Amino acid sequence: DGGITQSPKYLFRKEGQNVTLSCEQNLNHDAMYWYRQDPGQGLRLIYYSQIVNDFQKGDIAEGYSVSREKKESFPLTVTSAQKNPTAFYLCASSMGPGEQFFGPGTRLTVL
Amino acid sequence: AQSVTQLGSHVSVSEGALVLLRCNYSSSVPPYLFWYVQYPNQGLQLLLKYTSAATLVKGINGFEAEFKKSETSFHLTKPSAHMSDAAEYFCAVSEGGAQDTGRRALTFGSGTRLQVQP
Repeated sequence: DGGITQSPKYLFRKEGQNVTLSCEQNLNHDAMYWYRQDPGQGLRLIYYSQIVNDFQKGDIAEGYSVSREKKESFPLTVTSAQKNPTAFYLCASSMGPGEQFFGPGTRLTVL
Repeated sequence: AQSVTQLGSHVSVSEGALVLLRCNYSSSVPPYLFWYVQYPNQGLQLLLKYTSAATLVKGINGFEAEFKKSETSFHLTKPSAHMSDAAEYFCAVSEGGAQDTGRRALTFGSGTRLQVQP
């Protein structure tokens, strides 16, 4: 079955710790995206990549980093510089300007 | 720049009643518009999309939406609500729209939580 997988489903981070969220897709999509979801605020764009080995900052990139070494993978690292990382993180992919397909999400909680 | 406004963060209807979720957008280019549904602790699932073809768009689970350019609206409707429709609904506009320019990211509204009363 084609789709997007995210792992882990739940993640806990201690103060000052970096953590990495995994996102894999087997849809053969060129573009991949990371969004952050907070209650009552909809989704906000963190980073995006339209092609392998290239990525761009979104609207709230501070404290986050990404890589795109393979077409199917787009991991997100939440660094210690992100002061309020507790949120639900969603990965998406698309082919062209149409709909985006979303993964099941990772809920990150800071202890 | 694009933006999306969803009127009403919470909507409550009775089972069998009409569902109407409102979405207004602004876009500097002919838009592509989407409605997504999210169940608790899950990702987003596409309900329907407008990509400059028919202005009345039919989606899954009996939902439909009408693109009205003059009103810059894309309201979501369903004639008869079912208990399983209780979820959060997001309207989104594609940056760059039909011109396929820029980031191709989606700009989302803040969401509407639909409650269905028995």
